[in-house]
Amino acid sequence: SQQGEEDPQALSIQEGENATMNCSYKTSINNLQWYRQNSGRGLVHLILIRSNEREKHSGRLRVTLDTSKKSSSLLITASRAADTASYFCATDVGAGNQFYFGTGTSLTVIP
Amino acid sequence: EPEVTQTPSHQVTQMGQEVILRCVPISNHLYFYWYRQILGQKVEFLVSFYNNEISEKSEIFDDQFSVERPDGSNFTLKIRSTKLEDSAMYFCASRGQPNTEAFFGQGTRLTVV
Repeated sequence: SQQGEEDPQALSIQEGENATMNCSYKTSINNLQWYRQNSGRGLVHLILIRSNEREKHSGRLRVTLDTSKKSSSLLITASRAADTASYFCATDVGAGNQFYFGTGTSLTVIP
Repeated sequence: EPEVTQTPSHQVTQMGQEVILRCVPISNHLYFYWYRQILGQKVEFLVSFYNNEISEKSEIFDDQFSVERPDGSNFTLKIRSTKLEDSAMYFCASRGQPNTEAFFGQGTRLTVV
């Protein structure tokens, strides 16, 4: 399978704490994207990091990419209850036309 | 802000019936996708579409499935003879170029009874 694996599968933290989610993948990639999904809703793009980048920031989000370990992490700092959602990584592979999702991390932020 | 729209939001159909799920991608996008997500599970790639033909399809996308871009705006997924296990959320996505941000619709929840 070309899908990635994410860990942890579920994460529960207190509001204000930081949340870290990890994604590992198997094949060479062109880039890696992180998406968020609120329960029963569509997927919202958060951030894209290219294979030649090591770190990227967007607001309270920080993404790292280690292509030698085929892994990425998403850090959400100073979490809020509204961050409660599932988070998925997705890898662009091959000619770059298709992308595949990881298994997702369910994040619960307790107010 | 441009968005991907999907209709209907929820469809209930009897096993063996044909369903067509509709999507209107963002107007200047060229790459289109269908994914499905069985309740609470992973998001599975079904098919990618570019230049009026399928670029890639997964093993889920068997002969029961087909996609079409019948006009300049719609992108449809047809399931010819639905099975109970086809019950899932189906998401359409589009993007302007490969290796860029993809935009997703809100999904169609398909329930096969």
